[in-house]
Amino acid sequence: NAGVMQNPRHLVRRRGQEARLRCSPMKGHSHVYWYRQLPEEGLKFMVYLQKENIIDESGMPKERFSAEFPKEGPSILRIQQVVRGDSAAYFCASTKSPSRANVLTFGAGSRLTVL
Amino acid sequence: GENVEQHPSTLSVQEGDSAVIKCTYSDSASNYFPWYKQELGKRPQLIIDIRSNVGEKKDQRIAVTLNKTAKHFSLHITETQPEDSAVYFCAAGATGTASKLTFGTGTRLQVML
Repeated sequence: NAGVMQNPRHLVRRRGQEARLRCSPMKGHSHVYWYRQLPEEGLKFMVYLQKENIIDESGMPKERFSAEFPKEGPSILRIQQVVRGDSAAYFCASTKSPSRANVLTFGAGSRLTVL
Repeated sequence: GENVEQHPSTLSVQEGDSAVIKCTYSDSASNYFPWYKQELGKRPQLIIDIRSNVGEKKDQRIAVTLNKTAKHFSLHITETQPEDSAVYFCAAGATGTASKLTFGTGTRLQVML
């Protein structure tokens, strides 16, 4: 049973471009969580999604960031018009149900570098 | 919202000595406290967690204590080994808030030979 799969592992973008990060949850999991880790800092919650629904996006920046988790396919974190401050590692986690939702196992992360 | 503070930010110990990392939290509704270990360039990995219905939990060389009254919890690593060198993060969350964990800023532990 593969763990949470994230791709790309590394992504380089120039300022103003778009970044798309993908997260495939563990098999049987329908809840996905995105966290961001800025250099030398802890992880910060961004968004919690179930299939086709955004449940909690209180940690998402108000502009340029969006997330989706379609019925089929991976969850996507999209960053439009990237700026240097978006350079970070973006980690995804998944759970089967919210009752055990606190126990998070993270994917390997996607490291975004904005030039 | 929840605020988690973590100390120290860096910690150097000799191999075989013990290491202690301390965290405080602010939201009395928090009842779940995990600890993650992150090696350079890798994902954070859960090493131990504790829920508010217990005061202490131990797993081999690692133990965590929780003081709900004082709102602080600690990680204890005994008989440290070089492979324990990493950044350790504490976190706090409340069951029912769907994994909205609040993380501390991390402690960089270096175990010296």
